[in-house]
Amino acid sequence: KQEVTQIPAALSVPEGENLVLNCSFTDSAIYNLQWFRQDPGKGLTSLLLIQSSQREQTSGRLNASLDKSSGRSTLYIAASQPGDSATYLCAVYTGGFKTIFGAGTRLFVKA
Amino acid sequence: EAGVAQSPRYKIIEKRQSVAFWCNPISGHATLYWYQQILGQGPKLLIQFQNNGVVDDSQLPKDRFSAERLKGVDSTLKIQPAKLEDSAVYLCASSLGSGTHRNTIYFGEGSWLTVV
Repeated sequence: KQEVTQIPAALSVPEGENLVLNCSFTDSAIYNLQWFRQDPGKGLTSLLLIQSSQREQTSGRLNASLDKSSGRSTLYIAASQPGDSATYLCAVYTGGFKTIFGAGTRLFVKA
Repeated sequence: EAGVAQSPRYKIIEKRQSVAFWCNPISGHATLYWYQQILGQGPKLLIQFQNNGVVDDSQLPKDRFSAERLKGVDSTLKIQPAKLEDSAVYLCASSLGSGTHRNTIYFGEGSWLTVV
């Protein structure tokens, strides 16, 4: 059974710091991995989608990497800003129409 | 492009009452999902439709939850009777298909349910 874990559960950093969020999964047989952002009281917004054949994806200040063999993905945020404060969730698509989510990392960027 | 629309945004009901949530996916999206998200947890898939057929409802509590997707477009999720533990956000999402290269999932803002 696929399990997705995100550590830490919460993170507080000063503005301007570069940071890394972690996502691990137990079964490496995935088709893709997505990173989402969730603001309080809102739905999820897709940030980056990495196919299983890819190693990384970049969008602006965000860079996501994927190491299927070790069951890990990281989301790198450069030069963090208070507006980056949100919960970040990763989700893996395992085929069989199943997308499994982690519980998320709550990020707070202090001005 | 219009996003995924959900209503109502907020609902408070007493236990044993019923409630229904409505979702309109992004136009042209064949796959529609209903997720339940309890505070502090990641979303849990309740049911997934491909057009108007169900492809996964393994985690749907079928004794009290039901969902349908008429004509492969809009969908409704119903809870009857509600229990206290059903208090959660119900997220509707859609994607072009379930194939890997088209699997970016777009979420609505959610319907917040409080059962008292």
